[in-house]
Amino acid sequence: DTAVSQTPKYLVTQMGNDKSIKCEQNLGHDTMYWYKQDSKKFLKIMFSYNNKELIINETVPNRFSPKSPDKAHLNLHINSLELGDSAVYFCASSSVGLAGGPRTDTQYFGPGTRLTVL
Amino acid sequence: AQSVTQLDSQVPVFEEAPVELRCNYSSSVSVYLFWYVQYPNQGLQLLLKYLSGSTLVKGINGFEAEFNKSQTSFHLRKPSVHISDTAEYFCAVSYGGATNKLIFGTGTLLAVQP
Repeated sequence: DTAVSQTPKYLVTQMGNDKSIKCEQNLGHDTMYWYKQDSKKFLKIMFSYNNKELIINETVPNRFSPKSPDKAHLNLHINSLELGDSAVYFCASSSVGLAGGPRTDTQYFGPGTRLTVL
Repeated sequence: AQSVTQLDSQVPVFEEAPVELRCNYSSSVSVYLFWYVQYPNQGLQLLLKYLSGSTLVKGINGFEAEFNKSQTSFHLRKPSVHISDTAEYFCAVSYGGATNKLIFGTGTLLAVQP
């Protein structure tokens, strides 16, 4: 069973379009994250949700909107795509135990979604 | 500001030779340290981690790392590399807390040559 899965794996689209990336984890974790890896392979946190509540919101354009329907899913919607949005987007999960549950500081990553904006 | 430094962007090494990939982090009272590996066109896989306890940490694929608090370092080592170890290696630090945010270094490409 895949622990953290993302769909789609590849996404090619035109500038100005709106697209979504989906992430699901079956590890029972309470916290999920989105990271962006740019063309120089630099990884940076974008967002994090704990039990469906936003707990990290880095300096990201408001064209990016995360949504967590439940603690096993975290989706990323991007409006009005720009050339600079081309990157690989990684989802990750861990347990920070904010709700009194167990804590593990290890984040487990999905396989990534390569977004190419033309 | 919290940061992680991987000074070497690329490390070429011959097969069966030893290797060390360097990682330094900005100081804090408590840190959690990780090494992740990314094979070409793949996601990140956890190699090893330091949360507490013994400063020498062993991971998968024969890798190990040593946490050195006085030097704020967490260098990754392998005594004998294989061609299959060719990949990008990322050092990351978390300062714990409610968010558990991971801060990554810029990565080191380990290029193993026959």
